Amino acid sequence: SQELEQSPQSLIVQEGKNLTINCTSSKTLYGLYWYKQKYGEGLIFLMMLQKGGEEKSHEKITAKLDEKKQQSSLHITASQPSHAGIYLCGADTGRAGGGADGLTFGKGTHLIIQP
Amino acid sequence: GAVVSQHPSWVICKSGTSVKIECRSLDFQATTMFWYRQFPKQSLMLMATSNEGSKATYEQGVEKDKFLINHASLTLSTLTVTSAHPEDSSFYICSALWTGGFVEQVEQFFGPGTRLTVL
Repeated sequence: SQELEQSPQSLIVQEGKNLTINCTSSKTLYGLYWYKQKYGEGLIFLMMLQKGGEEKSHEKITAKLDEKKQQSSLHITASQPSHAGIYLCGADTGRAGGGADGLTFGKGTHLIIQP
Repeated sequence: GAVVSQHPSWVICKSGTSVKIECRSLDFQATTMFWYRQFPKQSLMLMATSNEGSKATYEQGVEKDKFLINHASLTLSTLTVTSAHPEDSSFYICSALWTGGFVEQVEQFFGPGTRLTVL
């Protein structure tokens, strides 16, 4: 079965600093999704990566998928209090893509931004 | 993006009662919906795949008689927690699969979640 290792489990960063969250899969990824969540609330879609070597950016958040499509990183530049929350990576291991077989999620990274 | 709603957003019930949670795709039809469960400070776990017009597919370890899923229409899937117990208290999130576009894209859109507390 698909396993996703997400690291670190928690992260405390001073406001303005950069940070990186990693997500490693035991199998080849056909799609890798990054979400943000405040516990007890819904998921906020951040980005989806499908191709090896792909990189996407939105505002101060950049996500990359390695060439082998087994590892992804989420990088936040100049962190702000609004970035605080739980970040989840979700893996799609189905060839159909789009999470057609449901997603397997990592355990999440709890990000705290210190003023 | 497409919108998925869930109702209720939170519910409190007594032990032994049944609770129904609805998941609706508001602006698209979804033949496939998914139900996830999230315990406090833990990640989401896929419980089952809900298929319109057929039986749901449950993940290993999920009791199908405990968590009844009905996907009666292309826009509605329901999850009924039967004879609920305190250990069933959790955050339940559904998602709906959208397919479309010229190249038959497939995307999954999540609902806002339902918090269930069983006393």
